[in-house]
Amino acid sequence: AQSVTQLGSHVSVSEGALVLLRCNYSSSVPPYLFWYVQYPNQGLQLLLKYTSAATLVKGINGFEAEFKKSETSFHLTKPSAHMSDAAEYFCAVTGGGNKLTFGTGTQLKVEL
Amino acid sequence: EAGVAQSPRYKIIEKRQSVAFWCNPISGHATLYWYQQILGQGPKLLIQFQNNGVVDDSQLPKDRFSAERLKGVDSTLKIQPAKLEDSAVYLCASSPGTSHLYNEQFFGPGTRLTVL
Repeated sequence: AQSVTQLGSHVSVSEGALVLLRCNYSSSVPPYLFWYVQYPNQGLQLLLKYTSAATLVKGINGFEAEFKKSETSFHLTKPSAHMSDAAEYFCAVTGGGNKLTFGTGTQLKVEL
Repeated sequence: EAGVAQSPRYKIIEKRQSVAFWCNPISGHATLYWYQQILGQGPKLLIQFQNNGVVDDSQLPKDRFSAERLKGVDSTLKIQPAKLEDSAVYLCASSPGTSHLYNEQFFGPGTRLTVL
């Protein structure tokens, strides 16, 4: 079975500051890990994914995440936050099949 | 390329009433998913179809929820009768492959259901 834990349901950063959203996973098999973003009243959009290739994964909109097996983590980062990054972010895991298990989400607020 | 379409976008009903949601996946996508997203939670898979067959419906409350995928294309999710706890956003997603390995899922905008 797989699960993910997102630490912090709400994160607030200043525009231009580093964004760090935390995700820890639990998996009985080598995991595939994902970050999705959800803007208000929209569906989920894939930001990036880890599928056992490079441990540092680059995604859209300047986001990246690093898979750390020793820490069972897959934290999402962006060097400089922009107002348009304000949204809800979900970490998700699968054991290689198509059944995604999502975390509870982190709402990112970007302040001037 | 058109994305996943869902309708209606919003629905308000009284408890014990029935409701149906419709999803049109991306053309050619073999796999279709319905998720339930309760406020403050991540999406939870309700049912997964591959073409017109059910792959996984282990988390579908079958006493009140039903779903079908007509001719392996469009899909309908029905709730009958609705309960207050069914208030949620219902997301439809589709993916291109039929492999058991991961295929990227593309999500529709969702239907927001409010049960009063």
